[in-house]
Amino acid sequence: AQSVTQLGSHVSVSEGALVLLRCNYSSSVPPYLFWYVQYPNQGLQLLLKYTSAATLVKGINGFEAEFKKSETSFHLTKPSAHMSDAAEYFCAVSDPYNNNDMRFGAGTRLTVKP
Amino acid sequence: GAGVSQSPRYKVAKRGQDVALRCDPISGHVSLFWYQQALGQGPEFLTYFQNEAQLDKSGLPSDRFFAERPEGSVSTLKIQRTQQEDSAVYLCASSFTQGVGNTIYFGEGSWLTVV
Repeated sequence: AQSVTQLGSHVSVSEGALVLLRCNYSSSVPPYLFWYVQYPNQGLQLLLKYTSAATLVKGINGFEAEFKKSETSFHLTKPSAHMSDAAEYFCAVSDPYNNNDMRFGAGTRLTVKP
Repeated sequence: GAGVSQSPRYKVAKRGQDVALRCDPISGHVSLFWYQQALGQGPEFLTYFQNEAQLDKSGLPSDRFFAERPEGSVSTLKIQRTQQEDSAVYLCASSFTQGVGNTIYFGEGSWLTVV
C-alpha cells in the first residue's frame, strides 16, 4: 500500500522568498506522484505530476518538484513566493497500474506574508 | 461541460436525514471517483466507477453510503441516516480513462454539514 507524509501542516514565507513544501512517500512499487493545490472553497487543481520520466518536473505557476528515489521524497519548490500562492497543497501517490488507488497527504497550508 | 460540476455546493442536513450529492463529470470521461475530505485532512478515497460499473467501493465508510452511475455519466452519492461524523467535503473527480498517469480533474466539492 502506498502513502505520503507531508512534513509541516503550516508553512509561512515572505513574498519573494523560496517556497519548500516537503513530501515523503512510501510505495511497494515505483510510484506516480502528484502535487495538487486547493484554494479556499474550491476543488483540487493539479500542479504537476511525476510519471517515471524526468525526475525534475515543472508545473504550473512556477512550481517544480524533484523525485528522489534514494530519499523517497517529492518536495515542491518555487523560487519566489507570490501572494497568490497562499493555499492548501496536497501531495498524492498512486499505483501506476491502478489509478483509482490515489492516496493523499494531510496537506500543507502555505501562508505568504507581504 | 468545461469542468467537473457538483451539486449542491453546500448542504446542511439534520442528523438522520438522507442526502444525495450529484456529480457531472467532464464530458467523455470514463473514470469517476468520489473522495471524502474531512476538515483539515487530505481527501480519502471512497469509490471508483469505470463507465457505469462500480469497480471499487472499498473506501465507503459504512453501508449508509451508496453511489451509482447508471448511465456512465452523472453520478450520485447517497448517504442515508446522516450522522455528525459524515460532515465533510465530498469531492468528485473524473479522468478520460483509467490509464496510467492520466490527469484526474476535481470538482469544487459538496460541503455537507450534519447538525
